[in-house]
Amino acid sequence: EVQLVESGGGLVQPGRSLRLSCAASGFTFDDYAMHWVRQAPGKGLEWVSGINWKSSTIGYADSVKGRFTIARDNAKNSLYLQMNSLRAEDTALYYCAKDIHLAVAGNFDYWGQGTLVTVSS
Amino acid sequence: EIVMTQSPATLSVSPGERATLSCRASQSVSSKLAWYQQKPGQAPRLLIFGASTRATDIPARFSGSGSGTEFTLTISSLQSEDFAVYYCQHYNNWPFTFGPGTKVDIK
Repeated sequence: EVQLVESGGGLVQPGRSLRLSCAASGFTFDDYAMHWVRQAPGKGLEWVSGINWKSSTIGYADSVKGRFTIARDNAKNSLYLQMNSLRAEDTALYYCAKDIHLAVAGNFDYWGQGTLVTVSS
Repeated sequence: EIVMTQSPATLSVSPGERATLSCRASQSVSSKLAWYQQKPGQAPRLLIFGASTRATDIPARFSGSGSGTEFTLTISSLQSEDFAVYYCQHYNNWPFTFGPGTKVDIK
């Protein structure tokens, strides 16, 4: 059974940093691209970042470019999101999502339950 | 950035009826369009990719069509478990973007 378990969320002040993690199991992690997608409270979905199987192709939403960094450790079956210079508008539930392909296809067939990030003073 | 729009914002449908949801892209995305279903308190679920290919275990009552800038998701006969919010998403190029969603509720 595919499982994606996010962690690392919490309450953080504007301008500070946070690192999210996603532990993957139930599939061959290094056979698939991975993504972060977020959802602000009561709002729609926003793709944040994606990374291919060997970390050679990485993309970001314009809203986080230069502030967020995605990374993966295939030996640990883990995906990460380093979030710097956090803003109130980054407040959201952050989902880890599995792509259907090792390259970045952009389709997300499995999702975690999310970790909540709240940016507030 | 490609902007995705969806209509209507809310669709009220009786169980057993047909539902037709629309999605439009601000420029062509070819057939690189996916649909997701999200129920309250749950993560989204992939329904359709490639504009018309059902994902694994998705019932045949869900169908997708379209290409370029105009797309449609049709639910042929709504079941109680289909009342949810539906999002379209393009993946033609970075950044991938979602539409604002269509809420399908009970009439």
